[in-house]
Amino acid sequence: NAGVMQNPRHLVRRRGQEARLRCSPMKGHSHVYWYRQLPEEGLKFMVYLQKENIIDESGMPKERFSAEFPKEGPSILRIQQVVRGDSAAYFCASSPVLAGTTSSYNEQFFGPGTRLTVL
Amino acid sequence: GESVGLHLPTLSVQEGDNSIINCAYSNSASDYFIWYKQESGKGPQFIIDIRSNMDKRQGQRVTVLLNKTVKHLSLQIAATQPGDSAVYFCAEKIQGGKLIFGQGTELSVKP
Repeated sequence: NAGVMQNPRHLVRRRGQEARLRCSPMKGHSHVYWYRQLPEEGLKFMVYLQKENIIDESGMPKERFSAEFPKEGPSILRIQQVVRGDSAAYFCASSPVLAGTTSSYNEQFFGPGTRLTVL
Repeated sequence: GESVGLHLPTLSVQEGDNSIINCAYSNSASDYFIWYKQESGKGPQFIIDIRSNMDKRQGQRVTVLLNKTVKHLSLQIAATQPGDSAVYFCAEKIQGGKLIFGQGTELSVKP
């Protein structure tokens, strides 16, 4: 039973280029979350998606960042025109919807992260 | 505002001793709390969780205590081992989905 998969694990981009980060949730999980972690800091929430829907994007920068979770395929976090300040580790987590529970109690399983370096 | 913070940024313990990592949270509406362990270069790994209607929960060698009166969360690790060395984060879940993480405490276990 594979865990959350993220690729690439390391990504180097020059300023102004686009970065695409992919996340495949655990089998059977329909909720995906993206977090960003700067060095020596905790993870900061960015966006919460279900299949084909953005549920909460309150942590996403208003410009250059977008996320999707299509009906088929992985979730994509896209950063356009990257700047040095975008350099960070980006983590994806997934959770199931357990029958009879609210989403509040669903454990989030994290992937290994994508480390983005902007030169 | 929303914030989850830790009292100690680093903790060094002797192998075999017990470790206690503390966390303060600020949102009274949070109903679910989780402790994660993060090793270098890896994603956070779930350790233990607790709902707001509980004040204590035990796992294998770990115990989480929740004090809602003072908005305090702690993680106790019994008989700490070198493999426990990592950064530990507390997180609270509010508004249904997102987690709010604390800054992290680095636990170093001396053999």
